[in-house]
Amino acid sequence: IAGITQAPTSQILAAGRRMTLRCTQDMRHNAMYWYRQDLGLGLRLIHYSNTAGTTGKGEVPDGYSVSRANTDDFPLTLASAVPSQTSVYFCASSPLPRLRNTEAFFGQGTRLTVV
Amino acid sequence: GENVEQHPSTLSVQEGDSAVIKCTYSDSASNYFPWYKQELGKRPQLIIDIRSNVGEKKDQRIAVTLNKTAKHFSLHITETQPEDSAVYFCAAKEASSGYALNFGKGTSLLVTP
Repeated sequence: IAGITQAPTSQILAAGRRMTLRCTQDMRHNAMYWYRQDLGLGLRLIHYSNTAGTTGKGEVPDGYSVSRANTDDFPLTLASAVPSQTSVYFCASSPLPRLRNTEAFFGQGTRLTVV
Repeated sequence: GENVEQHPSTLSVQEGDSAVIKCTYSDSASNYFPWYKQELGKRPQLIIDIRSNVGEKKDQRIAVTLNKTAKHFSLHITETQPEDSAVYFCAAKEASSGYALNFGKGTSLLVTP
């Protein structure tokens, strides 16, 4: 059982370049999320999707876009990377977000450095 | 969005002592409050959670309490062990962001032998 998988695990990217972080889950979860983790700031929500075909903005969406063409995949795109987007990115999924006790399961993370 | 405050940011205890981490939230509609543990270089993993219709929940050495009136919840770890050393995050489910989890900034717990 793979669960939720992110790719790549790490990347060094030149500023101004376009980059897509991939996230795939095989648990048939309805909801998927992208968080970024920075020291001292915890996990901040970038974008979310509660079902295939719908997406929403989180706390820090600027400079990022997402799509949800199917249940399993939720790619995150940086259109033109900037150094402030250097971070560890976590994808997560949850089965039925409107229910009370539905935890979020996290991928292993992608460490992105923009130089 | 929901504001989740977490304290302390760092906590150092002796092995065998108890550790307490506290969180407050602002959205009275929040109804789910999980705690995640993250070891260095690893992904966050759920250790315990509590729903809004429950005041306390225990799982071996870990317990969580919830006070909905005061909008705060706490994590209690008893008989701490060195392997409890990690960063702990509280979270609250936020309806305004599609029921995504809104996280506190984390508590770095160090348990010294």
